[in-house]
Amino acid sequence: DAKTTQPPSMDCAEGRAANLPCNHSTISGNEYVYWYRQIHSQGPQYIIHGLKNNETNEMASLIITEDRKSSTLILPHATLRDTAVYYCIVREVGDDKIIFGKGTRLHILP
Amino acid sequence: DVKVTQSSRYLVKRTGEKVFLECVQDMDHENMFWYRQDPGLGLRLIYFSYDVKMKEKGDIPEGYSVSREKKERFSLILESASTNQTSMYLCASSLGAGYTEAFFGQGTRLTVV
Repeated sequence: DAKTTQPPSMDCAEGRAANLPCNHSTISGNEYVYWYRQIHSQGPQYIIHGLKNNETNEMASLIITEDRKSSTLILPHATLRDTAVYYCIVREVGDDKIIFGKGTRLHILP
Repeated sequence: DVKVTQSSRYLVKRTGEKVFLECVQDMDHENMFWYRQDPGLGLRLIYFSYDVKMKEKGDIPEGYSVSREKKERFSLILESASTNQTSMYLCASSLGAGYTEAFFGQGTRLTVV
């Protein structure tokens, strides 16, 4: 079973920051938070992951709350190409399986 | 760049046929995965393999088997295809250890008629 809860869908205006929330209230100390996205008709693509510190890469930023029970993926300047389903995944170090939940369908509005 | 290649993008098979879906990765990854994706149900793990000849059942292994004779190749086998196995099938690979990213193929859309 997926260990995360995400809103089923969100809208964001093009050029604005898209903030995608994820709840993982039962996360344990050795579990990482991963984010993937799936653009229509393609396989999922890794975006970012983190343990407890905030992380940033060329695609996005990941903000994890101090108690680690929730996180937010931030796409700083959303474009139409960011329209996709975004998956938040909790995964333990040493656990090779990746279990996807339902994700959030993000619509970028022109 | 890591490449995960699935042998077919679209496939149509008849009920009762034995179906092989092939996946090849070119980055010497330890782990390989097979998922199916259906509307409203999301991505569900069928099987994964963490080494040659090693496999572990995922959430929905019934009706499927897998083969991993070489590190780079992971095959999903439908012994006797049924219409409820019509789906998008996605293969993935990852380097190993629990915290590395996974790379996905483009998917095979299988229709069983």
